[in-house]
Amino acid sequence: EVQLVESGGGLIQPGGSLRLSCAASGFTVSNNYMSWVRQAPGKGLEWVSLIYSGGSTFYAESVKGRFTISRDTSENTVDLQMNSLRVEDTAVYYCARGRPNLLVFDCWGQGVLVTVSS
Amino acid sequence: DIQMTQSPSSLSASVGDRLTITCRASQSISSHLNWYQQKPGKAPKLLIYTASSLQTGVPSRFSGSGSGTDFTLTISSLQPEDFATYFCQQSYSIPGTFGQGTRLEIK
Repeated sequence: EVQLVESGGGLIQPGGSLRLSCAASGFTVSNNYMSWVRQAPGKGLEWVSLIYSGGSTFYAESVKGRFTISRDTSENTVDLQMNSLRVEDTAVYYCARGRPNLLVFDCWGQGVLVTVSS
Repeated sequence: DIQMTQSPSSLSASVGDRLTITCRASQSISSHLNWYQQKPGKAPKLLIYTASSLQTGVPSRFSGSGSGTDFTLTISSLQPEDFATYFCQQSYSIPGTFGQGTRLEIK
């Protein structure tokens, strides 16, 4: 069964750092396009970051320079390192697989809540 | 960035109704338009991709159409489990922007 499970969320103060992890099963992350998508409380969906099967990475302007996406092929995980967190980064963060197109999200994790507050 | 605008933002309907949700892109995106369904507290679920292709396992009462800048999602006969929020999303270019969502409520 194809599945994604996120972990690492929590409450963090503004300016702090947090690392999210997404564990995949039923497929290999390094052979797929993998993204992070977030949803602020009561709001819509916002694409955050993407890592290509070839390793190239892309970021939304709102997180560029602060967030870093990476993957661990041995663990079959995709991570999101979030630095210099802001109140407006508060959201549920979803890991998603892009298939058949890099931005068509056919499989999603359950989501993990990140709350940035003092 | 390409802007996606959905209408209506919310609507009320009854079981058995036929309804259509519209999504408009700020520039042509060919057929690179997808539809997702989201229920409260759950992750979004892909329904339709490339404007009209039904994702595996999605009931045939869901259909999509359109190209260029104007797209529609149609539910032919609403079922109780269809009451949710629906999002369109363009996959033409990074960032894959989403519409603001259409909340479908029971009348």
